[in-house]
Amino acid sequence: EVDLVESGGGLVQPGGSLRLSCAASGFTFSDYYMDWVRQAPGKGLEWVGRIRRKVNSDTTEYAASVKGRFTVSRDDLKNSLFLQMNSLKTEDTAVYYCARSPTGGIFDIWGQGTMVTVSS
Amino acid sequence: DVQMTQSPSSLSASVGDRVTITCRASQGISSSLAWFQQKPGKAPKSLIYAASSLQDGVPPKFSGSGSGTDFTLTISGLQPEDFATYYCQQYKNYPFTFGPGTKVDI
Repeated sequence: EVDLVESGGGLVQPGGSLRLSCAASGFTFSDYYMDWVRQAPGKGLEWVGRIRRKVNSDTTEYAASVKGRFTVSRDDLKNSLFLQMNSLKTEDTAVYYCARSPTGGIFDIWGQGTMVTVSS
Repeated sequence: DVQMTQSPSSLSASVGDRVTITCRASQGISSSLAWFQQKPGKAPKSLIYAASSLQDGVPPKFSGSGSGTDFTLTISGLQPEDFATYYCQQYKNYPFTFGPGTKVDI
């Protein structure tokens, strides 16, 4: 069964850092682009960033709101996706989802999400 | 950035109804448009990509149409499990952007 499971969320102070993980199973992880999407409490969906496959040099793209603060990475040997979040702001408070992308910007499988709360 | 709008923002319907949700892009995005369903406290579920192609396992009561700037999602024969919030998303250009959502309730 294809599955994505996020972990690493929690409470962090403004200016702090947090690293989210997304464990993939049931498919060949290295064949897919992977993305992070977030949802602030009671709000809509916001795309955060993506990482392409190794054949595309693991290149990345980011939303302007997180560029320079967040870094998406992957470990194909461990079937894992990561989101390193630095210089966190209160407006980064959200549920963070990882999503699988078979091509282009299509998201076909989503994880269950992990909550990040940035507060003093 | 490509701005996505949806109408209506919410609608009330009954079991068995046929409902249509509209999504509009601020610039042409060809057919690079997806639809998602989200229930409270749950992750989004992918329904449609390329404006009209159903994701695996999605029943054909869901259908999408449109290209360029104007798109629609139609749900036929509304069932209790279909009451949710629906989002459109463009993936023609970075950053990928979502519409604000349409809540479908009873």
